[in-house]
Amino acid sequence: DAGVIQSPRHEVTEMGQEVTLRCKPISGHDYLFWYRQTMMRGLELLIYFNNNVPIDDSGMPEDRFSAKMPNASFSTLKIQPSEPRDSAVYFCASSPGGWDRGFVEETQYFGPGTRLLVL
Amino acid sequence: RKEVEQDPGPFNVPEGATVAFNCTYSNSASQSFFWYRQDCRKEPKLLMSVYSSGNEDGRFTAQLNRASQYISLLIRDSKLSDSATYLCVVNQGGYSTLTFGKGTMLLVSP
Repeated sequence: DAGVIQSPRHEVTEMGQEVTLRCKPISGHDYLFWYRQTMMRGLELLIYFNNNVPIDDSGMPEDRFSAKMPNASFSTLKIQPSEPRDSAVYFCASSPGGWDRGFVEETQYFGPGTRLLVL
Repeated sequence: RKEVEQDPGPFNVPEGATVAFNCTYSNSASQSFFWYRQDCRKEPKLLMSVYSSGNEDGRFTAQLNRASQYISLLIRDSKLSDSATYLCVVNQGGYSTLTFGKGTMLLVSP
């Protein structure tokens, strides 16, 4: 398997522009997560989906952020309008969910991330 | 108090040394625990889960102390390739409560 795929890998944009980040999870994984990582705040969960349905978006910073998962193999995270404080690395991760050997299979597999710089 | 706290380091050790990291968590209802490893400018990857009885994977040993609410990671015979940031992850039950620490940086020198 190719693992979790994210695009673009790097994005530089100007304040006020719309930014769209893309993610393809590992095939067969039921859970998809979007994270943001900064030096100050570390890794923060923004939103996660189960079987394409958003389950918890309480980590989304504000209305400028939105995420969709139209099918099992694709998700987007959109920022509109973008601001300099949105500069960070955005990771997408997927997880099989379910049970394995008596434990919930919680292992999350991260994509390579998108490095976003908003000027 | 932060939910998951780690010493940011860096821990500088020579090859072959033994090094240990601790991580404390604030919520006593936390149910599962993990160590992830993140190389510079890369994504986090699961290193190992932490079980109540403690567990070992080669040179790596993880321990859980529920009474004192901390987990530890011990690395024996450090290799240059162990240089990375080690993230402590705590789950209170359910993906919404998966909390990552900010990580401890390890630098292994020749």
